[in-house]
Amino acid sequence: QVQLQESGPGLVKPSQTLSLTCTVSGGSISSGSYYWSWIRQPAGKGLEWIGRIYTSGSTNYNPSLKSRVTISVDTSKNQFSLKLSSVTAADTAVYYCARDSRGLMPWGQGTLVTVSS
Amino acid sequence: EIVLTQSPATLSLSPGERATLSCRASQSVSSYLAWYQQKPGQAPRLLIYDASNRATGIPARFSGSGSGTDFTLTISSLEPEDFAVYYCQQRSNWPRAFGGGTKVEIK
Repeated sequence: QVQLQESGPGLVKPSQTLSLTCTVSGGSISSGSYYWSWIRQPAGKGLEWIGRIYTSGSTNYNPSLKSRVTISVDTSKNQFSLKLSSVTAADTAVYYCARDSRGLMPWGQGTLVTVSS
Repeated sequence: EIVLTQSPATLSLSPGERATLSCRASQSVSSYLAWYQQKPGQAPRLLIYDASNRATGIPARFSGSGSGTDFTLTISSLEPEDFAVYYCQQRSNWPRAFGGGTKVEIK
């Protein structure tokens, strides 16, 4: 079955760019009519949808983050990626990737990104 | 932007009891509502999609109902592994939104 795995630095300095990759295994990222999403969760808080991408490259971003977010896809590597610029401490969270259809399933295990100098 | 309000914030129940969780949308989301379960240290797990459809592998004790602005997740008889936080999420409009969550704790 399809599995997702996030990867990237666990520590990012303020004002820099957070970069994460989600690797899809057990199936092709291009098969089926799926979007691929990024979601984050600050410690002890709720879930926030960051954005999503279709394999054609079409994207939707949360307006609250839109000016700082870029999501891209590399079908040859079966991966999609997140870049969040000008980070602050408020961007410290567990970041999840997930396949998006009529619900988010499956999810990656999540990766903690801390913004600190 | 659609806002989802979940109630109660915390539900204290005993194993075997029935749990009823509510999710109210600030405007109609038709039936485009999902429910997730999250345990500490784990990613959320999809339970219900499109208001009333159980996801693959989800036990029959989980059921969802509602349409428009009012939705309910029911756990018919709580098992020990069901004590967790539950989130609703709409896919009617962009941006997608999650509710604030309901924690189901052991009484």
